[in-house]
Amino acid sequence: AQSVTQPDIHITVSEGASLELRCNYSYGATPYLFWYVQSPGQGLQLLLKYFSGDTLVQGIKGFEAEFKRSQSSFNLRKPSVHWSDAAEYFCAAVTSGTYKYIFGTGTRLKVLA
Amino acid sequence: EAGVVQSPRYKIIEKKQPVAFWCNPISGHNTLYWYRQNLGQGPELLIRYENEEAVDDSQLPKDRFSAERLKGVDSTLKIQPAELGDSAVYLCASRGTYEQYFGPGTRLTVT
Repeated sequence: AQSVTQPDIHITVSEGASLELRCNYSYGATPYLFWYVQSPGQGLQLLLKYFSGDTLVQGIKGFEAEFKRSQSSFNLRKPSVHWSDAAEYFCAAVTSGTYKYIFGTGTRLKVLA
Repeated sequence: EAGVVQSPRYKIIEKKQPVAFWCNPISGHNTLYWYRQNLGQGPELLIRYENEEAVDDSQLPKDRFSAERLKGVDSTLKIQPAELGDSAVYLCASRGTYEQYFGPGTRLTVT
């Protein structure tokens, strides 16, 4: 069955530190991949997307993600975290030709001042 | 360009009462989704529309939930009667090329 896994439920980092959030997918073919951020009381905001091509994808708010086919991973990174990055982050995937998205369970990021 | 609009933002009702949520997608987006998000979880699909046709409603609890998308634009999701377990955030999204754009959601509390 297709699935998206975010192994870390909670992550705490200090402001200014680097960040990496993990995402693994299980699909027959390489899906299209997304990262979303959700602040409290808000909907999901698209950070970045991967369809094909360059495996390092740049997004908004200084985030980037790297697609690694060999590891079935699409990890989100940021070199220096700001206090405003505290939120919940969701990885999602969809297979080309279908429009049914599968979301991970999310990683809650806490930023220490 | 306006984003996905949802109303109301919050709703508190007693169990067994009906409730309805409204969504207006981004202009030109033919695909509309309704999701339910429980606390600490990712969104779970309830129903997907392509224009006015519901093409995936396999996860919609049809005994109490209904949805419509008249004229293929805005959509309404209804619960009747509501149960305590329906307390959640109900998210609407519309699809661009392949990315989804979400509204702010409606937080439903059933007491």
